[in-house]
Amino acid sequence: EAGVTQFPSHSVIEKGQTVTLRCDPISGHDNLYWYRRVMGKEIKFLLHFVKESKQDESGMPNNRFLAERTGGTYSTLKVQPAELEDSGVYFCASSQSRRELFFGEGSRLTVL
Amino acid sequence: QKEVEQNSGPLSVPEGAIASLNCTYSDRGSQSFFWYRQYSGKSPELIMSIYSNGDKEDGRFTAQLNKASQYVSLLIRDSQPSDSATYLCAVDSSASKIIFGSGTRLSIRP
Repeated sequence: EAGVTQFPSHSVIEKGQTVTLRCDPISGHDNLYWYRRVMGKEIKFLLHFVKESKQDESGMPNNRFLAERTGGTYSTLKVQPAELEDSGVYFCASSQSRRELFFGEGSRLTVL
Repeated sequence: QKEVEQNSGPLSVPEGAIASLNCTYSDRGSQSFFWYRQYSGKSPELIMSIYSNGDKEDGRFTAQLNKASQYVSLLIRDSQPSDSATYLCAVDSSASKIIFGSGTRLSIRP
């Protein structure tokens, strides 16, 4: 069974540009989460999908961040326009029952 | 106050000894508690979950939960060099989101 896959693994962009991160959850997992880890800090919750619906997006930093989950399958997280403080590792996780999160390898974003 | 607090470490433990990792949380309504292990450059992986007060053992790992004190701990017996990693405490808060602590770096010295 394939795990959670994230793309790209690393992205380097200039301030003001747009980046789109993609997450493919484990097949059959209705719950999909986005988290972000900034250097030296905790893994911070961004949002939670149940199927295609946003269950909780209270962790989204501002309206430069837009998350979607098409048809309850893969999800994208777009940052537009990117700022320096958006740099970090963006983790996606999926779960069937909320009792165990399966994480992807993360997408490292560097904004210059 | 952070929602989930952990000592960042590093915690250095000799091989074969017991490593003790601690975590406190602020939301009294939390019901589910998890310990994840994260090797450098890798993604977190679940090693223990606990839902009721008391101890839960799985191999060399024991999770302890005290809801009255809002405290969760992880004990690792017979520590091995392969246990060297960052250990993340996570709490399923009453707001229906899973919150992580900043992690404790554990180093097992031979």
